[in-house]
Amino acid sequence: KQEVTQIPAALSVPEGENLVLNCSFTDSAIYNLQWFRQDPGKGLTSLLLIQSSQREQTSGRLNASLDKSSGRSTLYIAASQPGDSATYLCAVRRDGTSYGKLTFGQGTILTVHP
Amino acid sequence: SQTIHQWPATLVQPVGSPLSLECTVEGTSNPNLYWYRQAAGRGLQLLFYSVGIGQISSEVPQNLSASRPQDRQFILSSKKLLLSDSGFYLCAWSWASGMYNEQFFGPGTRLTVL
Repeated sequence: KQEVTQIPAALSVPEGENLVLNCSFTDSAIYNLQWFRQDPGKGLTSLLLIQSSQREQTSGRLNASLDKSSGRSTLYIAASQPGDSATYLCAVRRDGTSYGKLTFGQGTILTVHP
Repeated sequence: SQTIHQWPATLVQPVGSPLSLECTVEGTSNPNLYWYRQAAGRGLQLLFYSVGIGQISSEVPQNLSASRPQDRQFILSSKKLLLSDSGFYLCAWSWASGMYNEQFFGPGTRLTVL
């Protein structure tokens, strides 16, 4: 059974810092991995999706890397801003079917203070 | 562009009462549809998914059911709510075909069972 763990559970940083969020998964046989952002009381916003054959994906100040063999992914946020404060979730897809099930981590609660 | 709607946004129901949550998607046809529940301390859990009208797959046994009466409409129901049904319910969609199968989430419904 796939298990996804995110470390740290919570992180508080001053504005401007570069930071790294970690995601690990127990079964390396994944199809892809997706990073999401969730604001309090809101739905999930997809940030980045990395296919199992890829090493990293970038979008603006966000960079996600994937090391499938070691079962790890990191989300790097450059020059953090108060608006980045949210819960960040990673999820792995088991297979390549169109309805492939996502297994989520518990999330990292990020607070960026001015 | 595609949009996903959920209603109601919040709901407070007594134990033993029925439930009906609705999700609709605009701007696409024949999407895969998903219901997730996010409970405190338990992360996101896939409840149901559907690959077409009338086609429902259940991931977790519970007193909930799902239906897909129209192509872009997904309904979550219960005949008698339990206290343990409280949580944040999220609907999501993905393309029926394609390489990446990224999932996109709605704004969610906060359900409190008293």
